[in-house]
Amino acid sequence: GQQLNQSPQSMFIQEGEDVSMNCTSSSIFNTWLWYKQDPGEGPVLLIALYKAGELTSNGRLTAQFGITRKDSFLNISASIPSDVGIYFCAGRGTASKLTFGTGTRLQVTL
Amino acid sequence: SAVISQKPSRDICQRGTSLTIQCQVDSQVTMMFWYRQQPGQSLTLIATANQGSEATYESGFVIDKFPISRPNLTFSTLTVSNMSPEDSSIYLCSVGGQGAGQPQHFGDGTRLSIL
Repeated sequence: GQQLNQSPQSMFIQEGEDVSMNCTSSSIFNTWLWYKQDPGEGPVLLIALYKAGELTSNGRLTAQFGITRKDSFLNISASIPSDVGIYFCAGRGTASKLTFGTGTRLQVTL
Repeated sequence: SAVISQKPSRDICQRGTSLTIQCQVDSQVTMMFWYRQQPGQSLTLIATANQGSEATYESGFVIDKFPISRPNLTFSTLTVSNMSPEDSSIYLCSVGGQGAGQPQHFGDGTRLSIL
């Protein structure tokens, strides 16, 4: 099935640095969601975006719904070791089902 | 958000056997979904489990291989039939997502290894 292009594929950063990742699609979506998956667990919802141009924050996380409705980005400020994990974007069109991005693996060093 | 419980959490199975995975939600939900996550990969939707009707399968997934039940608004099962090593994956149940402002939430998944 279709997957969204997510970049970068992986990041290795130092604690305290800011992180930015993005997701692009050839299709228009009405909803963008960002999830984090830790080893041995299911994806946990971080941020949900419902309108083009919307900018939403959740603590140190900020995400934006692209104005074209074909992209979204996620920023993490002042990263900490527990930010380690795999981040997935997901888009939803007119149907209820989600299309997932390829994932960004984040590793944080002290 | 709804609490989603999956059983079993993991299993090791023999080639050619079948395994049924259960998904229980602590509240009534309209939409339930089953995803597969192959090793090191992203999530791919297998099917939407509809209460009172046949599941809706995505391209590449068929009912004979992945039969699904949805007897009520809080429970669903996914069976992985006639398993082969290629079926080794994490299988995830998800709920929610109907209508605007309704994000999907996931269970912790079932880690399946086929020998």
